[in-house]
Amino acid sequence: AQSVTQLDSQVPVFEEAPVELRCNYSSSVSVYLFWYVQYPNQGLQLLLKYLSGSTLVKGINGFEAEFNKSQTSFHLRKPSVHISDTAEYFCAAPSGGSYIPTFGRGTSLIVHP
Amino acid sequence: NAGVMQNPRHLVRRRGQEARLRCSPMKGHSHVYWYRQLPEEGLKFMVYLQKENIIDESGMPKERFSAEFPKEGPSILRIQQVVRGDSAAYFCASSPIAPMAGLSYNEQFFGPGTRLTVL
Repeated sequence: AQSVTQLDSQVPVFEEAPVELRCNYSSSVSVYLFWYVQYPNQGLQLLLKYLSGSTLVKGINGFEAEFNKSQTSFHLRKPSVHISDTAEYFCAAPSGGSYIPTFGRGTSLIVHP
Repeated sequence: NAGVMQNPRHLVRRRGQEARLRCSPMKGHSHVYWYRQLPEEGLKFMVYLQKENIIDESGMPKERFSAEFPKEGPSILRIQQVVRGDSAAYFCASSPIAPMAGLSYNEQFFGPGTRLTVL
């Protein structure tokens, strides 16, 4: 079964600094990987997804992620964050043979002025 | 085109009462999914429904929880005789077509959630 691990529960960063949110997955088959963002008191919004092809995936709001098969990682990055990026970020992947995504525990990105 | 709508946004119940959570999918979407988010945890799948059918309820607790998606009207997640451990955020998502296991992923669009508090 697929499992998704987000190594950091909280990432504080100053505005305009770069950020990386880490995600590792376990799977021995082809994977589909996703990052979602959840702003306070809102539902999840898809940031980006990897299905196949280029390992560097660009998403909304300036975020990008790189699929690394050898390290079984799908880290999310942004070169310069804004206050408005403060939110909870979830990595997700469908479990093997399933269409239902398994979510990581989430990483709280806190951007300070 | 309105997004996925959930109501109420906040619901407070005393132990033993019933909680009814409603989800109206996006226009044109006939597939609905319910998830539960416990504090400091990711979302956990509960149930997947199409109109008048429960397709996958593998994530639903065996007792007290039920879900429906009638031909007309919103999808309903019902929790009978609530307990404090039911306190969580419940999210609904919808998709326009059926998901295809192992072949592709059908994007789900999420509602804002219902935050249930059991006193």
